[in-house]
Amino acid sequence: NAGVTQTPKFQVLKTGQSMTLQCAQDMNHEYMSWYRQDPGMGLRLIHYSVGAGITDQGEVPNGYNVSRSTTEDFPLRLLSAAPSQTSVYFCASSRTGVSPLHFGNGTRLTVT
Amino acid sequence: AQRVTQPEKLLSVFKGAPVELKCNYSYSGSPELFWYVQYSRQRLQLLLRHISRESIKGFTADLNKGETSFHLKKPFAQEEDSAMYYCALSENTGKLIFGQGTTLQVKP
Repeated sequence: NAGVTQTPKFQVLKTGQSMTLQCAQDMNHEYMSWYRQDPGMGLRLIHYSVGAGITDQGEVPNGYNVSRSTTEDFPLRLLSAAPSQTSVYFCASSRTGVSPLHFGNGTRLTVT
Repeated sequence: AQRVTQPEKLLSVFKGAPVELKCNYSYSGSPELFWYVQYSRQRLQLLLRHISRESIKGFTADLNKGETSFHLKKPFAQEEDSAMYYCALSENTGKLIFGQGTTLQVKP
């Protein structure tokens, strides 16, 4: 099992550009989520999904879109990148709503 | 509102000293609490969950509902314990609410 795989590992964007952060898991987990990690702020939930075709907003959803067309994949789209979106992004999955999360390695994004 | 608070940004101790990383929470139901650890430039990984009541790498954590706390403890810190530690609360929907994190620095 590869677990949770995120690509790319690093990305630099200019303000206004769009991009998609990829996340895939091979554990057949129903629950998937995206967090951003910022110094002094901990991890904050952006969007999450409790199964294919179902998504919902987390604490900081503005500027991001998600979709869940398959159980395995949960991409995060930045529509128009802003410097405030400079962060480390983590994707996570879990088997049930109360199971521990499995995290990907993270994507370090810089917006200039 | 559900909230997790880790009051210390940085905790610095010498090798062999006891360690206590504080975590307080506010939650209206029965909490499901976790400690996650992130070693330098690695992914977050589960360290402990309160329902397991086990000791991992010498760390333990006890849920105190009266004080709404879930402090992480280790009697003798090791240099390899240096990492970022996050306390987290589950809303039982696959979502976790994380604290701000505490960096543990164990000096030789």
